[in-house]
Amino acid sequence: AQKVTQAQTEISVVEKEDVTLDCVYETRDTTYYLFWYKQPPSGELVFLIRRNSFDEQNEISGRYSWNFQKSTSSFNFTITASQVVDSAVYFCALSEAKTGANNLFFGTGTRLTVIP
Amino acid sequence: ETGVTQSPTHLIKTRGQQVTLRCSSQSGHNTVSWYQQALGQGPQFIFQYYREEENGRGNFPPRFSGLQFPNYSSELNVNALELDDSALYLCASRPTATSGANVLTFGAGSRLTVL
Repeated sequence: AQKVTQAQTEISVVEKEDVTLDCVYETRDTTYYLFWYKQPPSGELVFLIRRNSFDEQNEISGRYSWNFQKSTSSFNFTITASQVVDSAVYFCALSEAKTGANNLFFGTGTRLTVIP
Repeated sequence: ETGVTQSPTHLIKTRGQQVTLRCSSQSGHNTVSWYQQALGQGPQFIFQYYREEENGRGNFPPRFSGLQFPNYSSELNVNALELDDSALYLCASRPTATSGANVLTFGAGSRLTVL
């Protein structure tokens, strides 16, 4: 069965600190996608990044970076030099080839608060 | 600015009533999905529509139903509302049902409260 675990319920950091959000996933499918979405107070889910199961290349995009490790089934997300605007709930999600790209399995989210 | 708009943004119903939530997707997005997000939880997949037909459903009962129209709009209908149906309902769309690489674009949701 598929499952996404975000063990950190809430994290608070002071502005300009780095913060890493953890995500562990479970799937029996060999082809799958992993996602990070951001949900600000307005409610809409904002797409941040997608990785497929065959691409373990880690990426840095501005202040964001991602660490995908199939060996530990983890897909962690780091924000460097955090800003107040980064305050939101962050969701890790999984889609499997067998259930389709529209069926995302989400974790329970990590609420990040950046204190000025 | 999101390409997916939802209405109403908030509504209150009583137990046993029926509700219709609406979604307008971006032009060319012929696949739409609906999600339920209870307070403090991650979104849960309800169902998806492609070319006006349901072609995938999560673990939700038949009283949750939908419609998709040719003009890229869609509806989520919930009958016989229960208290546990109180949640944020999110609509998401993407251009095709066949490519796994496309990313869902979400709307801001409709927050339903059942009293």
